[in-house]
Amino acid sequence: NAGVMQNPRHLVRRRGQEARLRCSPMKGHSHVYWYRQLPEEGLKFMVYLQKENIIDESGMPKERFSAEFPKEGPSILRIQQVVRGDSAAYFCASSPSQQGVNEKLFFGSGTQLSVL
Amino acid sequence: EDKVVQSPLSLVVHEGDTVTLNCSYEVTNFRSLLWYKQEKKAPTFLFMLTSSGIEKKSGRLSSILDKKELFSILNITATQTGDSAVYLCAVVGTASKLTFGTGTRLQVTL
Repeated sequence: NAGVMQNPRHLVRRRGQEARLRCSPMKGHSHVYWYRQLPEEGLKFMVYLQKENIIDESGMPKERFSAEFPKEGPSILRIQQVVRGDSAAYFCASSPSQQGVNEKLFFGSGTQLSVL
Repeated sequence: EDKVVQSPLSLVVHEGDTVTLNCSYEVTNFRSLLWYKQEKKAPTFLFMLTSSGIEKKSGRLSSILDKKELFSILNITATQTGDSAVYLCAVVGTASKLTFGTGTRLQVTL
């Protein structure tokens, strides 16, 4: 059973370009979470999605950031018109159901975004 | 807003030492507290705690939760260089998402 798969592992973009980060959850998992980690900081929640639905996007910046989890295919985190401050590690995690008493999240290896 | 504070921020010990990592939290409608180990890549799950006073143990690692005082500790005995990592504490509340602390960076030297 493959784990959470993220690609690319490293992504370099120039200011103003678009970044697309992909996440394939573990088999059987329909809940996906995106987190951002800046150097020497903890993981910050961005968005929680189920198939075709955004459940909680309270951690997403209001502009330039969007996320989707289509019926078929991976979850996508899109950052438009990237700026240097977007440089960070972006982690995806999945679970088979809503995070709660009995569910732990399984994390992917992350995408390191560097904005030049 | 849910909040998690970990201490110390960083720690250097010698191989064979015992360490205790601390995690205090404020959360609305507590559901669970989780510990993760992060080396250079993905955080890997260590423990999930939901009940006070029940120790979870895995080899040299153990953890316990105090829901009255709102904290948890992670103990590592007989530390090894392979234990060097950032240890992350997170809580789940009403919002059904993990809120992480900034982590404790542990370095185990020979």
